This record gives sequence, C-alpha cells and structure tokens, in this order.
Amino acid sequence: QQPVQSPQAVILREGEDAVINCSSSKALYSVHWYRQKHGEAPVFLMILLKGGEQKGHEKISASFNEKKQQSSLYLTASQLSYSGTYFCGAPLVYYGQNFVFGPGTRLSVLP
Amino acid sequence: DADVTQTPRNRITKTGKRIMLECSQTKGHDRMYWYRQDPGLGLRLIYYSFDVKDINKGEISDGYSVSRQAQAKFSLSLESAIPNQTALYFCATSDRTTDTQYFGPGTRLTVL
Repeated sequence: QQPVQSPQAVILREGEDAVINCSSSKALYSVHWYRQKHGEAPVFLMILLKGGEQKGHEKISASFNEKKQQSSLYLTASQLSYSGTYFCGAPLVYYGQNFVFGPGTRLSVLP
Repeated sequence: DADVTQTPRNRITKTGKRIMLECSQTKGHDRMYWYRQDPGLGLRLIYYSFDVKDINKGEISDGYSVSRQAQAKFSLSLESAIPNQTALYFCATSDRTTDTQYFGPGTRLTVL
C-alpha cells in the first residue's frame, strides 16, 4: 500500500540535475511531495492532481501520470539548500484508508 | 506563531512510564494525525482523526492511544512506554479538500 520511491539515495554536485520517482499499486487521485531537512519537520512542496499537469516550486518541478500511477520530481540545477529527504505521499481515503507516505529519497548536494 | 505546535519537544523517560504528547493547531483544520518516524522507515501513521468524534487507528497503533479534546487539540499517549517506542513523533493537520499535510516541529522521545 505504501508508495515506492526510487532511488533510495542520491548524491549530487551543485548545479547537477536529479529525478526522484514515486509509484503506487493503487489508483491515485493526487500525489503530494514533501521535503524534510535534517532535524526538521517535513514541509509540503507541491500537489499534483489528475490531469498530468506539471507543477513547479523554485527549480523543482513534478509530473503525475495517473494512468501509470507514477509521479516524478525533477530537481534542476540543484542547490545546497535542496539537500534533505524527499517523500511522496497520497491520500487513500477513497479506499477507506488514510494518507500514506513513501519511504523517502535522501538527496545530498555537495559543493 | 507556528500553526501546529507540539509539546514537549524532547522527552526522556523510563520503561513502564505513561507519557502524553500534545498537539495544538490554529489552522482550523478538522483532520489531525500522529506519525512516528524512525531512521530509514519514513513516516508511519499511528492514529488519525477526521473530526472530534471520529478517531481511527493507523498502521502502528498498538501501544498507543489518542484523545481529541477539541478541534484544535489532539494528544497521543503511551500507556506503558517501552524502548522500541524511542522515535521522532510528528503531529500533522490537513485540509479536507486536498489532504495537504502540515506538520508540527516534532517530539523526540527516548525511552530508557
């Protein structure tokens, strides 16, 4: 039931790009992305709704393919401040469940 | 002022003690959640409440109980703490339209 994320961890140099993937075995109506910096609470980045639209936040964007039940987070020209753990999440209230998060992808951006 | 607050922020206790973690919110949301975070395991849901009279078990509710005292307050209790309940605990709220989760700062609990 928990979404699957890949990769588990990635190390980048400043200015490099990265993609984080999230997939679900259940049909999704929306996908959320959160970032958690070390020692802090997760913070909402963006929500993707059905329709395959892309959203953006700074130089971070995401896409959602509801047919494939997949979402991808794109980090372009990464900055040191992008370091942290990224979680995808989805509400599954329609399945009589609740909000579920993926296990997270740890991103480290080095100078 | 923070929209979601948690007290205490840190707590060290001994095995067998009863512990209560408190959460308050000023966002006006009906939905509130308690999550537990362990290294490498992401966020796991303990309990959630969609309104004052609605409380539901999450993925890992054993050993925990909750109380929704008001729309703005949601408390988590460990009836008899054990060492494997050592973790970082987050309270969150969400709006009913998108379920976007807004987290409190977390409580670091250590059970010796």
